[in-house]
Amino acid sequence: GENVEQHPSTLSVQEGDSAVIKCTYSDSASNYFPWYKQELGKGPQLIIDIRSNVGEKKDQRIAVTLNKTAKHFSLHITETQPEDSAVYFCAANQAGTALIFGKGTTLSVSS
Amino acid sequence: KAGVTQTPRYLIKTRGQQVTLSCSPISGHRSVSWYQQTPGQGLQFLFEYFSETQRNKGNFPGRFSGRQFSNSRSEMNVSTLELGDSALYLCASSQTEKQYFGPGTRLTVT
Repeated sequence: GENVEQHPSTLSVQEGDSAVIKCTYSDSASNYFPWYKQELGKGPQLIIDIRSNVGEKKDQRIAVTLNKTAKHFSLHITETQPEDSAVYFCAANQAGTALIFGKGTTLSVSS
Repeated sequence: KAGVTQTPRYLIKTRGQQVTLSCSPISGHRSVSWYQQTPGQGLQFLFEYFSETQRNKGNFPGRFSGRQFSNSRSEMNVSTLELGDSALYLCASSQTEKQYFGPGTRLTVT
């Protein structure tokens, strides 16, 4: 089955810096890769996703890149703000199968 | 549209008891998935229901079960509770591959 590894587990940046979180997956059949942000006391919130037929996707300050050959994908957050502080999860699956999550990255943005 | 709602938000139970958690998906969404979230294991998939049928099942013991009603609302049940069942139980609804999570039910087993 699918296995998703996520790094780093914690990340501390200064406000205005960029943050990058990386994930690798094991099943080459996976074709959908979402990213979630979870704030304290809340459920995970879908922030961006990418399908395997696309190499990069951007939405304002966040972007996701996918390298199918290496089986890894990354979340990039530019111009970080204190409100970006949260736990971020990557996930992967293929149609009709369960979404498999990474262990999460705790991002802290200090002002 | 209203988001995914879960009830109750917090629950305290004793070992050996059973518990039922409820999830109402986003209007129009027919798929509901359940996850267990713990600090040690992260987010683990329990099961998925689509049009009242279980479509996928994770690697959890038979004490964990679920069902879905004709209005797409879903319930999950845990019987003979163990201390290790203490966790945040999340449900997610979807119409396509995008899954939208509710706030979760925090279950504490004492």
